Amino acid sequence: QVQLQESGPGLVKPSETLSLTCTVSGVSISGYYWIWIRQPPGKGLEWIGDIYDSGSTTYNPSLKSRVTISVDTSKKHFSLKLSSVTAADSGVYYCARVGDGSSFDYWGQGTLVTVSS
Amino acid sequence: QSVLTQPPSVSGAPGQRVTISCTGSSSNIGAAYVVHWYQQLPGTAPKLLIYGNSNRPSGVPDRFSGSKSGTSASLAITGLQAEDEADYYCQSYDSRLSGYVFGTGTKVNVL
Repeated sequence: QVQLQESGPGLVKPSETLSLTCTVSGVSISGYYWIWIRQPPGKGLEWIGDIYDSGSTTYNPSLKSRVTISVDTSKKHFSLKLSSVTAADSGVYYCARVGDGSSFDYWGQGTLVTVSS
Repeated sequence: QSVLTQPPSVSGAPGQRVTISCTGSSSNIGAAYVVHWYQQLPGTAPKLLIYGNSNRPSGVPDRFSGSKSGTSASLAITGLQAEDEADYYCQSYDSRLSGYVFGTGTKVNVL
């Protein structure tokens, strides 16, 4: 079955770069878009950006200057980098697959990232 | 930054029917972009509940149904059960943002 698993540091210092990886199993990365979504504590969901297997990306305009998403199809993972983080970037970060009609049909369990010194 | 508006909460007794609205605009739902719905149980990742306005993924009970009209969409839950107590989010695409947008989220309380 399709599974996604986020990994990366749970604590990042202010002004530093948040780096997460999403490892995909049970399906090829090729032929799909893959997405990062975040959820601040007690708040709603926010689209961060997405990537196709070719490496083509689209980012949320509010984060575009700080976000980089990349993909490694051979290693079956895609990654997120968010630079110059502040406390407002704290929350649970999810990776997901873009499926039918641009719905998000498979999700990772999420990883909590706290920005604090 | 949510551009899709949902009621903060809805409540119902077991067995009742509840509906959740998702109001957008001419740049998202009103522009004929499809709407999807997600259920987020406490402490877990969101789960796709409805895709393409009204389609249920395999395994989702037919108590859940979705519809869309104009600049709004709705999720209905019939025969409400205790296990349906969760947060629900709508999601679509916005041409002004050139990206995906989520609703503000609705907490369903089972009385």
